[in-house]
Amino acid sequence: EVELVESGGGLVQPGGSLRLSCVVSGFTLSDYHMDWVRQAPGKGLEWVGRSRNRADSYTTDYAASVQGRFTLSRDDSKNSLYLQMNSLKSEDTAMYYCGRDLSGSNQAYLGQGTLVTVSS
Amino acid sequence: EVVLTQSPLSLPVTLGQPASISCKSSQSLAHGNGNTYLSWFQQRPGQSPRRLLYKVSKRDSGVPDRFSGSGSGTDFTLTISRAEAEDVGFYYCMQGSHWPPLTFGGGTKVEIK
Repeated sequence: EVELVESGGGLVQPGGSLRLSCVVSGFTLSDYHMDWVRQAPGKGLEWVGRSRNRADSYTTDYAASVQGRFTLSRDDSKNSLYLQMNSLKSEDTAMYYCGRDLSGSNQAYLGQGTLVTVSS
Repeated sequence: EVVLTQSPLSLPVTLGQPASISCKSSQSLAHGNGNTYLSWFQQRPGQSPRRLLYKVSKRDSGVPDRFSGSGSGTDFTLTISRAEAEDVGFYYCMQGSHWPPLTFGGGTKVEIK
């Protein structure tokens, strides 16, 4: 059974940092592109970034709104994906979801999300 | 960046009746490889999003066949053939033909009349 479990969210001050984790099970992480999507309170879905699979050399891509502040990484041996978030702003407040290849032809999955609140 | 515009913003539906949501793209979503990477996601109240359809009309595993997708180029439609109470929630289209970035539509709220 495929499962994605996010963690690491919490309350952080503007300008601060946070590292989110996504632990996956039920599939081989290196075979898949992995996406992060966020949802601000009462708002729609926004793609944050993608960690491409091993075949694509683990290239990372980011939304313009987080480029230069957020960094994606992964440790396939630990079945884990990470989102390092620096220079956080109030507009980064959102539920963050980890997802398996949301635009691909294989079954897509999303986790239950982890809430990030940026506030003083 | 591809902009997706959904309509309507809110859709009251009658149980057992059909319902449709439109998604219009700012540019053609036909990919050079012949595929069109337009997906639909459902988000029920208090739950994570779930993908229903990919490549316009292909259903993800476990998705009821009352959900169908159609369209090409810049115009796409999600249709619920017979609405059920469990279909209440938000629906989002998403394109993956021209990325980065992946982009989502603004969402449509489906509620029961």
